Amino acid sequence: GESVGLHLPTLSVQEGDNSIINCAYSNSASDYFIWYKQESGKGPQFIIDIRSNMDKRQGQRVTVLLNKTVKHLSLQIAATQPGDSAVYFCAENIEGGSYIPTFGRGTSLIVHP
Amino acid sequence: DGGITQSPKYLFRKEGQNVTLSCEQNLNHDAMYWYRQDPGQGLRLIYYSQIVNDFQKGDIAEGYSVSREKKESFPLTVTSAQKNPTAFYLCASSSSVATGPYGYTFGSGTRLTVV
Repeated sequence: GESVGLHLPTLSVQEGDNSIINCAYSNSASDYFIWYKQESGKGPQFIIDIRSNMDKRQGQRVTVLLNKTVKHLSLQIAATQPGDSAVYFCAENIEGGSYIPTFGRGTSLIVHP
Repeated sequence: DGGITQSPKYLFRKEGQNVTLSCEQNLNHDAMYWYRQDPGQGLRLIYYSQIVNDFQKGDIAEGYSVSREKKESFPLTVTSAQKNPTAFYLCASSSSVATGPYGYTFGSGTRLTVV
């Protein structure tokens, strides 16, 4: 059945700090991963992706690390800003087929000025 | 500008009523999806459609129905059989299912509340 009232994991940081958000994925066959940012009352926005043939990928102020051994992803945000406050979640997928991606439940990032 | 539009942004339903959520895209995407988002949970797939006049059940299809009569439109009906419909509903589209989540464009969501 459905669960209600679950609380998202929350990460509170000070403006200017680095943030690390974690995600455990479930399917060892997954070969493509995305991080999304979702602001309150809005749809998710793509941040960064990584394929399973890589361990690390960098974007602007963001880095994604992939550890396939333990099926773990992390998103690092450098010099966190108040505008980074949002829910962040990962998605896992198997490329090239009709696989429908699985989305994680997310972490709420709160940035204090 | 191309995009995906969900309406209304907020919707209130009385118990026992059916309500329909609208999702329209002008991206010429073949695939469209409906997800439900509850507090503290990941997106859960309700229905998806790979092409006009075809759709498949997702993980939580019970109490929901869809149609795909036009490429641009994928409305979701929340029926009275859905016992706990209060949630945030997200529509997405992609050029095809094979593009995976990289190709997803999400709408801005509809928040449905049972009153």
